[in-house]
Amino acid sequence: DGGITQSPKYLFRKEGQNVTLSCEQNLNHDAMYWYRQDPGQGLRLIYYSQIVNDFQKGDIAEGYSVSREKKESFPLTVTSAQKNPTAFYLCASSQRQGPQFFGPGTRLTVL
Amino acid sequence: EDKVVQSPLSLVVHEGDTVTLNCSYEVTNFRSLLWYKQEKKAPTFLFMLTSSGIEKKSGRLSSILDKKELSSILNITATQTGDSAIYLCAVDRFHGSSNTGKLIFGQGTTLQVKP
Repeated sequence: DGGITQSPKYLFRKEGQNVTLSCEQNLNHDAMYWYRQDPGQGLRLIYYSQIVNDFQKGDIAEGYSVSREKKESFPLTVTSAQKNPTAFYLCASSQRQGPQFFGPGTRLTVL
Repeated sequence: EDKVVQSPLSLVVHEGDTVTLNCSYEVTNFRSLLWYKQEKKAPTFLFMLTSSGIEKKSGRLSSILDKKELSSILNITATQTGDSAIYLCAVDRFHGSSNTGKLIFGQGTTLQVKP
């Protein structure tokens, strides 16, 4: 059963904590992406990776970090430096010239 | 600054109506325009339009790209309650001979279809 999985579905973070969101795909896609979605807004790109061991900042990378050690995995860490992390986080993947397909998302809430 | 604007922001119709959603863009090195449907969770892919494929159709949904007007429309005919969702438009750009993958999204159009 091919697709993109994200975990956890819901995540609660205390002030000052780092948390890591998981994203895995078995579609054999080269590229992977992380987006943030706030209520009433479109998606904004945090980080993206077009190949293993390489990634680039998106439009709102401050306070986030990523790694791409394996083709199928692209975890996102929300650090304590991110001042307003409460949001819906979406991971996506694509072939080089194709559309992006999204995972089910993780809803992060800061307590 | 590159940007994508959708209109209207929200729309309420009754089952059986036809709706037209709009997306306009101002980007450098345009490569493709994509439409997604978002219900409770993840956006699901609907169409990708490029210079070589400016019109797409799937069932009751169709989309056209107008590169001269820098815009696209998404049409839904004979709407059903299951069409209720947020419809997102996004644009991808060229970087050299390849795409950047850095999609720019519009703010979305929220469609509500009443029985």
